[in-house]
Amino acid sequence: DGGITQSPKYLFRKEGQNVTLSCEQNLNHDAMYWYRQDPGQGLRLIYYSQIVNDFQKGDIAEGYSVSREKKESFPLTVTSAQKNPTAFYLCASSRTGLGTEAFFGQGTRLTVV
Amino acid sequence: QQQVKQSPQSLIVQKGGISIINCAYENTAFDYFPWYQQFPGKGPALLIAIRPDVSEKKEGRFTISFNKSAKQFSLHIMDSQPGDSATYFCAASNRGGSQGNLIFGKGTKLSVKP
Repeated sequence: DGGITQSPKYLFRKEGQNVTLSCEQNLNHDAMYWYRQDPGQGLRLIYYSQIVNDFQKGDIAEGYSVSREKKESFPLTVTSAQKNPTAFYLCASSRTGLGTEAFFGQGTRLTVV
Repeated sequence: QQQVKQSPQSLIVQKGGISIINCAYENTAFDYFPWYQQFPGKGPALLIAIRPDVSEKKEGRFTISFNKSAKQFSLHIMDSQPGDSATYFCAASNRGGSQGNLIFGKGTKLSVKP
């Protein structure tokens, strides 16, 4: 099955710890994105990448970091600098420069305890 | 100018009724307008999309109406069913832009009562 896989589905983190969220796609898409979803806020872009080894900050990149070493993978690290990390995180991918029909993963719910 | 404004925030409709969700944008460079449907605990899924060269697109019970001069577009769900209860997001993008990423509205939570 082609698609986007996010793991884990639920993640708990202690304050002050970094945590990495996984996102893998087998759709052969060039572009990948990370969004954060909070109630009543819609989807806000954290980072995006259009090609391997290149990525750009989105609207709310502070406290997050990413890497894009492989076309299929775009992990997101939530660092201890992110002041309010509890949220639902969504990874998406699309074909660059075309219809930008984005396909989403099932999300990771991160809770800071 | 990059915002997409969506209304209402929540909507309650009786089974069989028509659900209408509206979105407005400012950036005239936007040329792709999709709607996404999201069920609780799941990722959004593409429902229907439209380009600005058409004024309406229909897929089953779902219709997008697009008004280019007013910079508005809307989703109509005919014969709404309880299974349509979900959060709906409109979005817009400039496919020729350097980013190509989607700008989302804040979502509308639809509840269809049996």
